[in-house]
Amino acid sequence: SQTIHQWPATLVQPVGSPLSLECTVEGTSNPNLYWYRQAAGRGLQLLFYSVGIGQISSEVPQNLSASRPQDRQFILSSKKLLLSDSGFYLCAWMDASYTGELFFGEGSRLTVL
Amino acid sequence: ILNVEQSPQSLHVQEGDSTNFTCSFPSSNFYALHWYRWETAKSPEALFVMTLNGDEKKKGRISATLNTKEGYSYLYIKGSQPEDSATYLCAFFKPRGGSEKLVFGKGTKLTVNP
Repeated sequence: SQTIHQWPATLVQPVGSPLSLECTVEGTSNPNLYWYRQAAGRGLQLLFYSVGIGQISSEVPQNLSASRPQDRQFILSSKKLLLSDSGFYLCAWMDASYTGELFFGEGSRLTVL
Repeated sequence: ILNVEQSPQSLHVQEGDSTNFTCSFPSSNFYALHWYRWETAKSPEALFVMTLNGDEKKKGRISATLNTKEGYSYLYIKGSQPEDSATYLCAFFKPRGGSEKLVFGKGTKLTVNP
C-alpha cells in the first residue's frame, strides 16, 4: 500500500534562516506531488505541484521554492524565511484515477520568529 | 480564477444537534468534488468523492449530496458528537492534461459542545 511521510513535524526558525521540508512517497511510481499551506486564518492554498522528476509548477509567487530530485521525493525550500512563511505545510500525492483523490502527509508546523 | 466557496465559515452546535453546510463550485466542466475532514495539526482525511449529479453518499452519521448543474454540495451531520469537531473542506477537481489539482474552499469549522 502507498504511504507518504513528511518531516520535520515542527520547526521554529528565525527570520532570514533557510528552510527545507522533505516529503517521500512509497508504494507508487510517478505520482503527482503537491505542497499545500494553511496560513493562520486562511484555507488550504496550493503552493507547488510536480508531475515528474525536475518538473515543478508554482501556483503563487512567494519566497519559497520546490524541487523533485527523485521520483518519490518532493522538497520545499527557502533561502531566507519571512514571518509570513509561518503556517502548516502539507505534502500530498494524487491517485491516478480521474477523480483526483489526494493523500496527505502528516503535516509540518513552521513558526518563523 | 476558480472559486470554491464554503459556508458558513464556522459553526457551533450542541451535542445531538444535526447540522449541514454548503460548498459551491463552478458548474461547468465538472469532474469531481471531494469532502475532507481536517482536525487541527493532523492531515486531512478523505470523506467522500462525488462525481455524478444527484449523488448522495453516506458514512455513518455523515452524508453528502451533489448538484453539478447548479454547482453546490451539502454535507450533513446527524446527531453531532464532540468528536465531529473539525474543519470540513470541500475541493473541486480540476484536471489539466496531466497537471491535475484540487482547489480547496476555506472550510467550515465545526465545534460540537458537549
